Amino acid sequence: RKEVEQDPGPFNVPEGATVAFNCTYSNSASQSFFWYRQDCRKEPKLLMSVYSSGNEDGRFTAQLNRASQYISLLIRDSKLSDSATYLCVVVRLRDYKLSFGAGTTVTVRA
Amino acid sequence: GAGVSQSPSNKVTEKGKDVELRCDPISGHTALYWYRQSLGQGLEFLIYFQGNSAPDKSGLPSDRFSAERTGGSVSTLTIQRTQQEDSAVYLCASSLGGGNHNYGYTFGSGTRLTVV
Repeated sequence: RKEVEQDPGPFNVPEGATVAFNCTYSNSASQSFFWYRQDCRKEPKLLMSVYSSGNEDGRFTAQLNRASQYISLLIRDSKLSDSATYLCVVVRLRDYKLSFGAGTTVTVRA
Repeated sequence: GAGVSQSPSNKVTEKGKDVELRCDPISGHTALYWYRQSLGQGLEFLIYFQGNSAPDKSGLPSDRFSAERTGGSVSTLTIQRTQQEDSAVYLCASSLGGGNHNYGYTFGSGTRLTVV
């Protein structure tokens, strides 16, 4: 079983729509969680950290469910510029090694 | 520097040749990762350096691959006797490491390696 699993999508949504997707992780001793964004042929860039109580950054909301071992990302009022692959990252407590999911592709259409 | 710097940005090499890829992390970052990414694929973990600890080499695909990190800063990934399947973008990332991992990881723009 992979350490981090994501629905690859693609999620095709119209502008203005809300889109949400999850990421599950297998190691209960995971310490930290992040969402990264990767545009085509570019390097991944940090979108936001994920905190236990959930957190928002503008139109983006991240949630963590430790009991069920998943994190989620919700994008409200989607923009064309939100089209990208969203990577889930989990940091292992033991040695702070990070593991990436394979990514969820989101395409926002006009 | 302000960000993670990788060089070269592009490298075309003949099959069988050795290549060296360089990563210059953000100053003060103790954790450094190498990943590779083939077109349309996810990130494949290669190696992880954390401070003075022995590196986690569990992701290196074969003994043709090696990496070192001198002085806890610059890292070099070496691929010997390159094969066509080695063609990919090689990405380096660094972070403050240890208990400061909550600050996330910064990626360099990668080295696009093409083996012909």
